[in-house]
Amino acid sequence: QSALTQPPSASGSLGQSVTISCTGTSNDIGDNNFVSWYHQQPGKAPKLIIYETFKRPSGVPDRFSASTSGITASLTVSGLLTEDEGNFYCSSYAGADNFVIFGGGTKLSVL
Amino acid sequence: QLQLQESGPGLVKPSETLSLTCNVSYGSIRSSDYFWGWIRQPPGKGLEWIGQIFYSATAFYNPSLKSRVALSIDTSTNQFSLKLKSVTAADTAVYYCARYIRAGTDAFDLWGQGTLVIVSS
Repeated sequence: QSALTQPPSASGSLGQSVTISCTGTSNDIGDNNFVSWYHQQPGKAPKLIIYETFKRPSGVPDRFSASTSGITASLTVSGLLTEDEGNFYCSSYAGADNFVIFGGGTKLSVL
Repeated sequence: QLQLQESGPGLVKPSETLSLTCNVSYGSIRSSDYFWGWIRQPPGKGLEWIGQIFYSATAFYNPSLKSRVALSIDTSTNQFSLKLKSVTAADTAVYYCARYIRAGTDAFDLWGQGTLVIVSS
């Protein structure tokens, strides 16, 4: 079970936007609409911010948006705030054998 | 709101079995809408899915851990458990239990705070 591929780091200035990519295969991202994204602040548990490729749970600001094209999913964080710092993980349903697969994570720095 | 809380030994000796329990409160574990899962995170590293279990005890496992992992669920106590046998230092990690919404959402929407397990003699 190989992890989804994310860039190890990303950065952006306060108020600006940043996009994080997540590349999978035709067996996971390319095969379904069940891509999710999680935000993990230091010392805390991950928090779900995107599910079903682009939907936001209640309470998640619309500064977070996401999409998928082929085998690559993307998360955009707009209007960067210092509280957005931390790690972002993508995840995908990967079929009955693998079920859930995570990306390696991207550490976001807000400059 | 439903809450999850992991419990178990924080130190396990190499070759022994790691055992953790997740207590679910303010909601029933007996629901056809959810799976109950385990995810771990080695220090300074990313997330790794371990497996998840349905209230009927149907379980799915990470293929790379399947030979060493067993999940169980007890609807009478609203708890589910993880056993990982023959542990090594590579199994040192923060272990999270989480709720997975199935059937169209397929994501972990609620997480426990996590518990650090160190494998060392």
